[in-house]
This record gives sequence, structure tokens and C-alpha cells, in this order.
Amino acid sequence: DAKTTQPPSMDCAEGRAANLPCNHSTISGNEYVYWYRQIHSQGPQYIIHGLKNNETNEMASLIITEDRKSSTLILPHATLRDTAVYYCIVRANNAGNMLTFGGGTRLMVKP
Amino acid sequence: KAGVTQTPRYLIKTRGQQVTLSCSPISGHRSVSWYQQTPGQGLQFLFEYFSETQRNKGNFPGRFSGRQFSNSRSEMNVSTLELGDSALYLCASMVDQETQYFGPGTRLLVL
Repeated sequence: DAKTTQPPSMDCAEGRAANLPCNHSTISGNEYVYWYRQIHSQGPQYIIHGLKNNETNEMASLIITEDRKSSTLILPHATLRDTAVYYCIVRANNAGNMLTFGGGTRLMVKP
Repeated sequence: KAGVTQTPRYLIKTRGQQVTLSCSPISGHRSVSWYQQTPGQGLQFLFEYFSETQRNKGNFPGRFSGRQFSNSRSEMNVSTLELGDSALYLCASMVDQETQYFGPGTRLLVL
């Protein structure tokens, strides 16, 4: 699986959009971009994933650049409950079920 | 559907003992993966089971083992516990080759 690079921490004001970047410059054509978050000491929570098109669900939007070398997770209206560590992972769906977690981005939403 | 459940949620053991952790996947999910999370090493893949067979194994010593039952429930066992085995142990389930969903974890403290 390709390696990802994320900023170690970010702050966001409550009610504003949180934009979390992820670099995956060595991504392969069959690898998806997955986002999970982990709220303190809980199990990681699946947020969203995509291959090359932008995706949106009730939690977030995922914007993937045309060359697929980077992506941005957008939480449109961050709340205090969105404070968590956000992990960007790339994985091919036919390459086994192991997820390789990096350090993630610690997002702090402030009032 | 009920989510992934893990028991027990908290556990205290002493060095040299062994421990067994249990994971019940989401109904219909046949793949179960186990991860260890420590402050120093982050989230690391332990092993994955599908249809009662271990398909992948991470870089952990043989003291860490697991199994899966015909109903897809899984257990992991750690023998001869060491202080460094203190961690959050996470279980994730999926249909297969798709999105993994994590349980709340079992927090193990080795004294």
C-alpha cells in the first residue's frame, strides 16, 4: 500500500469548514483513498472513501486531485465532537484486508 | 445492524499471564482483522481471518495468536504477557475486500 503524509495537527473554529489534506504521491491506479477518524481511545470510525471521483456523504466530502496524488477531507461545519485524529489510508480493495495507519492529523475544533 | 462488539472492554493482567480477547463481527461479515494500538507504535496490524483461516499476519511474535469460528466470531490470545503488551486491541470486520468497521477495542494493562 502507498504511503500517506498528513500534517500532525490542525485547528479549526467551531462552525467553520475543516479541510484536512493528505498527500499520497505514490498511489497506484487501483488504490482507494480511505478516511477514518479516532475519537479519544475509541475504535477508528469509517468516514468516507473514493477512487478518483469526489465523494460526499452525511459526514464529509472527499476531494481527490485529478492526478490522484493528494486529497482533502472536508468537514463542512465542524463541531466540538469532530475533535479527533483523522487518518488517511490508501488501499487496493483486492490486496488483502490490512490497513496501514500513519500518524494521522490531530484536529482540534475550538469554540 | 449491531456494530462490532469486543469483550472485555478493560482488562488488567500481570506479566507472564495469558489473555484471550473476543470479537463479534457485524452480522454477515466474514473477515475479521485485529490491530494493536500503543502510544509509541500507533495502530499496527496483527492478523486477519476469513472463513476460519488466517490470511495475513503482521510483524508480531508468536506469542500473539488468533482464531476464527464458523460463525465468524474471532478470538485473539497473547501468551506470556509482557509490560509492552499494554495496549488498545482493536477488531475490525468487513464483508471482504471492502470497508472495515472497527469495534470499541479492549484496553489491556499489564502490570
